[in-house]
Amino acid sequence: DTGVSQDPRHKITKRGQNVTFRCDPISEHNRLYWYRQTLGQGPEFLTYFQNEAQLEKSRLLSDRFSAERPKGSFSTLEIQRTEQGDSAMYLCASSLQAYEQYFGPGTRLTVT
Amino acid sequence: GDSVTQMEGPVTLSEEAFLTINCTYTATGYPSLFWYVQYPGEGLQLLLKATKADDKGSNKGFEATYRKETTSFHLEKGSVQVSDSAVYFCAPTSLGGSQGNLIFGKGTKLSVKP
Repeated sequence: DTGVSQDPRHKITKRGQNVTFRCDPISEHNRLYWYRQTLGQGPEFLTYFQNEAQLEKSRLLSDRFSAERPKGSFSTLEIQRTEQGDSAMYLCASSLQAYEQYFGPGTRLTVT
Repeated sequence: GDSVTQMEGPVTLSEEAFLTINCTYTATGYPSLFWYVQYPGEGLQLLLKATKADDKGSNKGFEATYRKETTSFHLEKGSVQVSDSAVYFCAPTSLGGSQGNLIFGKGTKLSVKP
């Protein structure tokens, strides 16, 4: 069991640029979640997939954010026209149905 | 909507002291309840869970009991170690929408001194 992996671990970008993050869940898990964590706060839910279907999106997920999970395996989260307020740790988690979620190490985004 | 309130930190204890971190939640139904831990420089790790009323989750000497009547899930450990220094998050599952995403509190930072 290799656990949840995320790539890249760190990303520094200039305001206005687009960025894309990748998450590889635990292989048998059908659910995949994205969360965002800012310094000193707990993670906040962004969106979730069951297999390839995106079933829920938080109001935190503005139009500049898009997520995909083609073929129900890995997922990507893209942020267009990044803003300084997007600087955060982006966490991915996976689970089998609605059972406990296992988190990846996160991608730390810094927008300058 | 669903929410969770955790004891404010930081909490500083001496080694072998007793630990309690309070957690209460607001939900209209029966969420599953989790404690996650984040060690310095590491990702979130599942510490323990409880899925129904009166269940007791336990792991690594930590325990928490699902109290439906008080909507609480307090974390306890009888004798903390320096290696327990970390940030602890209480997280019920949301019962709306996806019925699966976690709602996190702000976290409680624990520092254990030798």
